[in-house]
Amino acid sequence: DAKTTQPPSMDCAEGRAANLPCNHSTISGNEYVYWYRQIHSQGPQYIIHGLKNNETNEMASLIITEDRKSSTLILPHATLRDTAVYYCIVRVDSGGYQKVTFGTGTKLQVIP
Amino acid sequence: KAGVTQTPRYLIKTRGQQVTLSCSPISGHRSVSWYQQTPGQGLQFLFEYFSETQRNKGNFPGRFSGRQFSNSRSEMNVSTLELGDSALYLCASSSGTGGLDTQYFGPGTRLTVL
Repeated sequence: DAKTTQPPSMDCAEGRAANLPCNHSTISGNEYVYWYRQIHSQGPQYIIHGLKNNETNEMASLIITEDRKSSTLILPHATLRDTAVYYCIVRVDSGGYQKVTFGTGTKLQVIP
Repeated sequence: KAGVTQTPRYLIKTRGQQVTLSCSPISGHRSVSWYQQTPGQGLQFLFEYFSETQRNKGNFPGRFSGRQFSNSRSEMNVSTLELGDSALYLCASSSGTGGLDTQYFGPGTRLTVL
């Protein structure tokens, strides 16, 4: 799986959009971008994933650049409960086999 | 649908003891993966079980083992505990039947080795 690079920490004002960047310059054509988050001492929570098109669900939006070398996770209206570590992961479709490699993530602090 | 459950949530053991952790996957999921999370190493993959067989393994010593039952529930065992085994142990389930498969994580078991 390709390696990802994320800033170690970010702050965001409550109610504003949080834009979390991820660099995955070595991504290959069959690798998907996944985002998880982990609120302190809980299990990681799946947020969203995509291949090349932008994706949106009830939690967030995922914007993937045309060359697929980077992506941005957008939380449209951040709340204090969005304070967490956000992990950007690149995964290949491995026929159901699971071996997810997590990096160090971005610690997002939402400020009142 | 009920999520992934893990028991116990907290555990304190002493060096040299062994420990067994349990994970119940989401109903219908057949793949269970285990991860260890420590402040120094982050989230690391231990192993994955599917249909009672280990089909993927991370880089951990043989003291770490697991098994899966016919109802997809899984247990992991750590023998001869060391201080460095203190960690949050996470279990994740997925359908495991092919294609890109999203993993759903449980709340974890916090193991402290004294």
